[in-house]
Amino acid sequence: QSALTQPASVSGSPGQSITISCTGTSSDVGGYNYVSWYQQHPGKAPKLMIYDVSNRPSGVSNRFSGSKSGNTASLTISGLQAEDEADYYCSSYTSSSTLNWVFGGGTKLTVL
Amino acid sequence: EVQLVESGGVVVQPGGSLRLSCAASGFTFDDYAMHWVRQAPGKGLEWVSLISWDGGSTYYADSVKGRFTISRDNSKNSLYLQMNSLRAEDTALYYCAKAAMVRGVISPCDYWGQGTLVTVSS
Repeated sequence: QSALTQPASVSGSPGQSITISCTGTSSDVGGYNYVSWYQQHPGKAPKLMIYDVSNRPSGVSNRFSGSKSGNTASLTISGLQAEDEADYYCSSYTSSSTLNWVFGGGTKLTVL
Repeated sequence: EVQLVESGGVVVQPGGSLRLSCAASGFTFDDYAMHWVRQAPGKGLEWVSLISWDGGSTYYADSVKGRFTISRDNSKNSLYLQMNSLRAEDTALYYCAKAAMVRGVISPCDYWGQGTLVTVSS
């Protein structure tokens, strides 16, 4: 399975909004509403931030939102805070072979 | 509180075998599918395997198919990953993770352990 495509890095100033893209194919992102986003701080386990394209788990700030258009999903973080600096990974269910999940390569978010 | 604690990671020679374990607590283990996800040093996440809540269905990434076997013991609230024919490229931190949806296999991971490090090197 090929990894989903994410930008290697994005940056923004406190209070600003940023968007991270995640591009796949019609066999994964474009074919199913099973896109998730994870936040990972250095040395820590990933944390689920968004599931099923745009749903937030309980306890996740509403500054985080997700969307999808065609084969590209997006994570938007509004009102950037220093604590948002982390790596972000998208993930999607894929039907490329049997039931599988595929991750993006990850995006390093820097809060300036 | 959901807790997932992995163990079993060591240094192993290429071609060797290893079994990872994950002890789960704080939730009804046999209601949820479970994933293994790995992360090579300094690299991104890679999904490895998934097992259904009852152990009846298993799924693998192409990179480990035929070499790794996922299993679970619901009576012990434990998840396992048997790893055979290990290669240098299997070197990674291995996380076990709980599926978010009750009895759902098409479900993301809502809780993760802290991982156990597997190093494949001669």
